[in-house]
Parts: sequence; C-alpha cells; structure tokens
Amino acid sequence: GQQVMQIPQYQHVQEGEDFTTYCNSSTTLSNIQWYKQRPGGHPVFLIQLVKSGEVKKQKRLTFQFGEAKKNSSLHITATQTTDVGTYFCAGPKNFGNEKLTFGTGTRLTIIP
Amino acid sequence: GAVVSQHPSWVICKSGTSVKIECRSLDFQATTMFWYRQFPKQSLMLMATSNEGSKATYEQGVEKDKFLINHASLTLSTLTVTSAHPEDSSFYICSATPLSGRAVSYNEQFFGPGTRLTVL
Repeated sequence: GQQVMQIPQYQHVQEGEDFTTYCNSSTTLSNIQWYKQRPGGHPVFLIQLVKSGEVKKQKRLTFQFGEAKKNSSLHITATQTTDVGTYFCAGPKNFGNEKLTFGTGTRLTIIP
Repeated sequence: GAVVSQHPSWVICKSGTSVKIECRSLDFQATTMFWYRQFPKQSLMLMATSNEGSKATYEQGVEKDKFLINHASLTLSTLTVTSAHPEDSSFYICSATPLSGRAVSYNEQFFGPGTRLTVL
C-alpha cells in the first residue's frame, strides 16, 4: 500500500535557526497537504500544493512540491518557539480520493 | 474557519465496557467525516470514512464490529468502541470535509480536538 515517509523523525534546533522536513511518497500524488499538530493538540491545515514543482510561501514557511509529485518539503526560516510541534505531510490515498495518508511526521523542538 | 468538536475530550473506562465518541461540525455541513487513531508520538492512522446516510467504509485491519460508526446527519458522526480493552487506549480524532465554500482545497480536512481514551 501507499507509504508516506518523513525525515527527520525529530529535530531539535536553536531558536533562530532554520528547519526543514522532507516528505516522500511511494506513489505519485495528485496533491499534497501539510498539517501542524501542537503538543497535546490536533492537526491544523497549513497548505495544499497541487502543481509539479510548485513553491508556496507563508511568512517564514516555504513549501515545495517535487517535479515528480512524489516528494515535498517544508522549510522554516529563523524558527521561533511558536513553531514547536509535529509537522505532517498528507496525500490522497488515490487520485481524486478524499482519504488522506499521513506521513510519519517530524517533531520540532526549539531550544530557547 | 470551520469548527469541529468532539465529546468527550477524555474518557477512562473499565475493560469490557463500550465508549461512544461524538464528532460534530459546528458551523458547516460535512459531506464526509473521517475517524483516525493516533498512538503517542506516532502519526494519524485512518480507521474509517463516514458518509451521512450510508455505511462507513473501514480501512484494512480495522474491525467494523468493534468500532461502530454511525453518521446520523450532515453534522454528526459517532464512533463507539465496543468491549474496549487496554490495547484500544489511544487518541481518537475525527475530521470533516465541508460540503462547499469553507475549505481552501477540495479535500482539506478540519480536525476535532480529539478524545483520549484510557481503558483500565
């Protein structure tokens, strides 16, 4: 079945440093979504990427969708303590399917 | 944004009892609701997809007789964990996709706050 892996599993960074998490799918995706889950909280939608090679920015966050539409990345510039949490990518189980397969997640910890 | 609530937020029960968890979309109608399970420090695992007025579809390996899902209206889905055992202890999260107009993308999911189930 479809697998969506993320690396690294954990990342500890000093406040102000950059952070990147990588997402790789075993299958080609029609789109990819990113969610953030704060400790003790629930996932919150961040963004969706649809086009091959697409890059989108949200303030200090930069999201990229690979040319082959099988991988994606999330880069945070100059991390802040509010960035703490687990970042998940998620892709449709099948083309046009509402069901999502969530990636394994990257847990970000910020050292003040 | 679209708001999804879950009740209860946490529950502790004895082994062998059944527990019902409610998921409500508060300010929108949901075509579909999803039920996930999340173990500590792990990802979300989709358990089942719930559509109003029809039977839920379960993911491979999820026992439909153990995890009963009822989707009575466009704003309410319930998950009942029957004859719960300690291994069922987990964080159960529901999500919903709006009928129209509330989502950035067609399959953006709005998540409830989750229900932490502990079975003694």
